[in-house]
Amino acid sequence: EAQVTQNPRYLITVTGKKLTVTCSQNMNHEYMSWYRQDPGLGLRQIYYSMNVEVTDKGDVPEGYKVSRKEKRNFPLILESPSPNQTSLYFCASSLRLANYNEQFFGPGTRLTVL
Amino acid sequence: KQEVTQIPAALSVPEGENLVLNCSFTDSAIYNLQWFRQDPGKGLTSLLLIQSSQREQTSGRLNASLDKSSGRSTLYIAASQPGDSATYLCAVSGSSGSARQLTFGSGTQLTVLP
Repeated sequence: EAQVTQNPRYLITVTGKKLTVTCSQNMNHEYMSWYRQDPGLGLRQIYYSMNVEVTDKGDVPEGYKVSRKEKRNFPLILESPSPNQTSLYFCASSLRLANYNEQFFGPGTRLTVL
Repeated sequence: KQEVTQIPAALSVPEGENLVLNCSFTDSAIYNLQWFRQDPGKGLTSLLLIQSSQREQTSGRLNASLDKSSGRSTLYIAASQPGDSATYLCAVSGSSGSARQLTFGSGTQLTVLP
């Protein structure tokens, strides 16, 4: 089944403890991105990747890192999480540029930073 | 900077009614517009993708239109069913210097009453 998977789905952690949220797609998509969703603010893009080893900042990249060493994986790294990073996170992918291709979203990761 | 607005924020209708959800965007220089459905606690499911050169797209009981020059899109749902209850999000791709990300509206929360 073609899909985008994220792990973990739920995570509660404490301030400053490094964490990684994994994202994987099995559709051979070139483009991948991370969004966070907050009440009243909608979905905002954190980082995106056009292809392997190519990443760039979205609208709200502060406090996050990403890597794209393999085409199928795009992990989101929080080196020192803070409470304002409590949010619902979504990974998405599309065949190529988001301009022309439908984006597919993962099921979401609900992160709580205490 | 692109801004996307969805009206109304919430809508409640009896089963069987036809309904229209509205989406407007401030910068008409878009590449495409995509409608998504989000169920509580779940990820986003793509419903329809309209390229900038297209006027509408149809899928089953759903019809989405796009008027790029006026910065508007509508999602028409025919013969609504309780299973249509969800939050509907529209997102535009391109413009504002970045052709690689989606800008989302805040969504319309739809409740279809049996």
